[in-house]
Amino acid sequence: GEDVEQSLFLSVREGDSSVINCTYTDSSSTYLYWYKQEPGAGLQLLTYIFSNMDMKQDQRLTVLLNKKDKHLSLRIADTQTGDSAIYFCAYDPGYSSASKIIFGSGTRLSIRP
Amino acid sequence: DAGVTQSPTHLIKTRGQHVTLRCSPISGHKSVSWYQQVLGQGPQFIFQYYEKEERGRGNFPDRFSARQFPNYSSELNVNALLLGDSALYLCASSLPGGNEQFFGPGTRLTVL
Repeated sequence: GEDVEQSLFLSVREGDSSVINCTYTDSSSTYLYWYKQEPGAGLQLLTYIFSNMDMKQDQRLTVLLNKKDKHLSLRIADTQTGDSAIYFCAYDPGYSSASKIIFGSGTRLSIRP
Repeated sequence: DAGVTQSPTHLIKTRGQHVTLRCSPISGHKSVSWYQQVLGQGPQFIFQYYEKEERGRGNFPDRFSARQFPNYSSELNVNALLLGDSALYLCASSLPGGNEQFFGPGTRLTVL
């Protein structure tokens, strides 16, 4: 089935690293994504990883993929107040002719001073 | 270059009414997808259109329909509105065969 699970909340201190975790059920996933949504705004694609990769780094962002355990994580180094948002883990099932993305319910990241 | 644009920004309707939401994709993008995001949840796929044809449909009733125009803009129509249709409706566009979907700011629909 198509299911993505994330913890609902994460609180970190400014300057620390944030790690947001996600598990998914569909083994046919091709691309896995992290989206950011700020209050009242649409979705911003932060980064994505192809399912045959283990890791991708992009400036402060590091994505780790454990395909065997169907586990995806997003690490944000040196977390800043501007990182406060909801982060969605998502994937493309790959088996559909449509570009359909399956989203988790999102993790709300809050930053403590 | 302008991103994905959606109109209107906000909309209030009453139960039983009909609504039309509009989306303009990024220039050069021929694929448009629609998602519904209920408060507190992640977006759910409704439709994808490519070259004016429906390529995929999510688990939504027939009250939901969409179309794509020759200029690749798209409309989402919802008939016989229910309270549960209250949500943020997001449009995303992508290049043909592209794996990145770029989202617009959404239309917030409130059904009273």
